[in-house]
Amino acid sequence: KQEVTQIPAALSVPEGENLVLNCSFTDSAIYNLQWFRQDPGKGLTSLLLIQSSQREQTSGRLNASLDKSSGRSTLYIAASQPGDSATYLCAVSTGGYNKLIFGAGTRLAVHP
Amino acid sequence: GAGVSQSPSNKVTEKGKDVELRCDPISGHTALYWYRQSLGQGLEFLIYFQGNSAPDKSGLPSDRFSAERTGGSVSTLTIQRTQQEDSAVYLCASSLELGNQETQYFGPGTRLLVL
Repeated sequence: KQEVTQIPAALSVPEGENLVLNCSFTDSAIYNLQWFRQDPGKGLTSLLLIQSSQREQTSGRLNASLDKSSGRSTLYIAASQPGDSATYLCAVSTGGYNKLIFGAGTRLAVHP
Repeated sequence: GAGVSQSPSNKVTEKGKDVELRCDPISGHTALYWYRQSLGQGLEFLIYFQGNSAPDKSGLPSDRFSAERTGGSVSTLTIQRTQQEDSAVYLCASSLELGNQETQYFGPGTRLLVL
């Protein structure tokens, strides 16, 4: 059974720091890995989608890497800002129809 | 254009009552997904639709849960004889096509509280 773990569960950093969020999964037979952002009381916003054949994806200050063989992904946030404060969720797709298995998330707080 | 919308945004009900949750996907999106986010279980997959058919219902927690989609658009998740453990945020997502290269767009969710 696929399990997704995210470390740390919570993180508090001062504005401007570069930071890394970690995600691991137990079964390397995934189709893709996705990173989402969730703001309190709101739905999820897709940040990056990495296909299983890819190693990384970049969008603005965000960079996500995927090492399928070791079952790991990292989300790198450069020059963090208070507006980055949110919960970041990692999810892997385990079926041909993009069924997502989620981690519990990392709650990030960036303070001025 | 408009994103995924869900209604109601909040629902409080008494144990044993039935509830219906609605999802309006992005226009033209053929795939639709339901997830549940609860404190103890995190975010879990419930069911998906390709068009109006639901090939995989294995994520539904019990036979009290059912879902349908009509006209390849609106979907309704129905919970019969609600229990307190059904309290959670129910999220709907849609994607243009059914496939692993597609991004899922999520709605704001329906927060269900069963008293």
